[in-house]
Parts: sequence; C-alpha cells; structure tokens
Amino acid sequence: GNSVTQMEGPVTLSEEAFLTINCTYTATGYPSLFWYVQYPGEGLQLLLKATKADDKGSNKGFEATYRKETTSFHLEKGSVQVSDSAVYFCALSDRNTGNQFYFGTGTSLTVIP
Amino acid sequence: KAGVTQTPRYLIKTRGQQVTLSCSPISGHRSVSWYQQTPGQGLQFLFEYFSETQRNKGNFPGRFSGRQFSNSRSEMNVSTLELGDSALYLCASSREPTPANYGYTFGSGTRLTVV
Repeated sequence: GNSVTQMEGPVTLSEEAFLTINCTYTATGYPSLFWYVQYPGEGLQLLLKATKADDKGSNKGFEATYRKETTSFHLEKGSVQVSDSAVYFCALSDRNTGNQFYFGTGTSLTVIP
Repeated sequence: KAGVTQTPRYLIKTRGQQVTLSCSPISGHRSVSWYQQTPGQGLQFLFEYFSETQRNKGNFPGRFSGRQFSNSRSEMNVSTLELGDSALYLCASSREPTPANYGYTFGSGTRLTVV
C-alpha cells in the first residue's frame, strides 16, 4: 500500500542553521510527492511538490528532490529563520488509487534566534 | 482571493449528539476533500468529492457522512458523537479534477471537542 515515514521531531535549530527533514515513502504506483507546512492554529499550506522521479520542488528557500531509487523526498533549507517554526508534513498521492493523500506524522521545527 | 472557508472554527458537543461542519471551497474549485487530524492518528482521509459525487471514502464508520452541493460547497456530518471524534477537521479544495497531481488548498479547520 501507500505510506509515508517521516523523521521524528521535535527539531530545534538556531537561526541560519541548515535544515534537513527526512521523508521516505512506499507506493504501489507512481506517486506525486508533497511537503505541507502547518503554522499554529492554521490549516496546511502547500510548500512544494514533485510529480515524477528526479523532479526538484522548491519554494521560499526550501527544496526537495524526488528520489525514486531511495524512495525519498527529503526537505532541505540552507538557512532557517525564526518564521520557519512550524510543523512540516510529507505527503504522497497516487492518481491510480484516487486523490487520497497519505501524510507522514509531521515534524515540529522550532528555530531560536 | 478568498481561501477555503470552514465554519464554525470551534465547536463543543456532547457525546451522542450529532454535528454538521461546513466548507466553502475557493471559487472555481470543484474538488473537495475532508481530513481528520488528531495527535494520535495524524491526518486521516475522510472523503473526496467532485461535482457533487463522492469519489472516494476513507476507513471511517458509517457515522461519518458528507455531501457536496451544486455550488461545490460541502458539508460533513458526524452522528452519535464519541469522545474519540474530538479532532481538527480539515477541508481542502482543488481546481483540478485530479488533485493527486497538483495538491490541495486547505482551510484552517473546525476544532471539534466532544465532552
């Protein structure tokens, strides 16, 4: 079946540090991969996506590359800011099994000044 | 541009009651999905609708139901509420008929507390 395994948190970093949040997936078909971010008291916001192998999604300094050989979609940012503090969710969808999204458990990030 | 609007934002209900949650998607979006978010189970898929048709349903008991109207607005209903139904219920919409490729825009959710 389809599933996403995400790095456990919480993660605490100093401002300007490098961020990596690991995400691996299991899929029966050809999934699209997503990173969503959730700020306190809010819904999920789409951060970036990749729809096929070797695609790189990027937005607001965040990047993730769809690696089919390692079934991974790790999120990276070169220099985090306090405003990046949030919960990050890795997700996959497989159009062959409908439009259901499968989410990881979320990784809480706190950036301290 | 208005986002996905969910009402109410907060709700407190008693065990055994029923509840209806409402979602207004972004104008022009015809795909609507619902998710339940809890600390223990994370984000779990409830339903997916497109043009008033339920296309997919998650693994929830029959107490959970939903529908979509001709204007794409959607409602979900939970009958005979249980304590375990306490959660943040998120609605998401997409312009695309196959959101699997494009992603969804989520609302801020309805926080349901069952006492």
